[in-house]
Amino acid sequence: AQRVTQPEKLLSVFKGAPVELKCNYSYSGSPELFWYVQYSRQRLQLLLRHISRESIKGFTADLNKGETSFHLKKPFAQEEDSAMYYCALSGSARQLTFGSGTQLTVLP
Amino acid sequence: NAGVMQNPRHLVRRRGQEARLRCSPMKGHSHVYWYRQLPEEGLKFMVYLQKENIIDESGMPKERFSAEFPKEGPSILRIQQVVRGDSAAYFCASSPGGRPYEQYFGPGTRLTVT
Repeated sequence: AQRVTQPEKLLSVFKGAPVELKCNYSYSGSPELFWYVQYSRQRLQLLLRHISRESIKGFTADLNKGETSFHLKKPFAQEEDSAMYYCALSGSARQLTFGSGTQLTVLP
Repeated sequence: NAGVMQNPRHLVRRRGQEARLRCSPMKGHSHVYWYRQLPEEGLKFMVYLQKENIIDESGMPKERFSAEFPKEGPSILRIQQVVRGDSAAYFCASSPGGRPYEQYFGPGTRLTVT
């Protein structure tokens, strides 16, 4: 069975502070990991995937197979980063398994 | 391209009625996925369809729920004899192929069962 855990439902940081959203997963094979974001009144959209190893809007995420984690990080948070963030996993099936999400609020 | 469309956006049904949720995929997309989000939870996979075929329905409840994606027209998620526990947001995603990162999500349908 595959599972994704996001331990923080709510996370608040001040503008300019570093932010880290935690994600842990369980899967017996080699998963693909993703971060999705949902801004207020907008649709869920893909933020980044571990395979591409890219930085999107200043966010990065590294897959740590030893710790089965895929934490999302940004060194300097901006107010426009306030949103709901979901970590997701795809295994051998083509479906996505989502975590319960973390609501990030960046305070001015 | 208008993106994935879902209608209605809000649906209220009394217990025992039927609910029909529609999803029109993006132009050129032949793969559709349905997810359900209960309050305080993440999205949970229900079913994956290609045109006229159900590929994976491992997340669908065994009774009362069905899905189709006909050759013409939108994909339909049908819930018969709704119960209060069916109240949730139902999201549809479409993709041009079967790759998970290519899923584009619709705005969701919020079903309320009274």
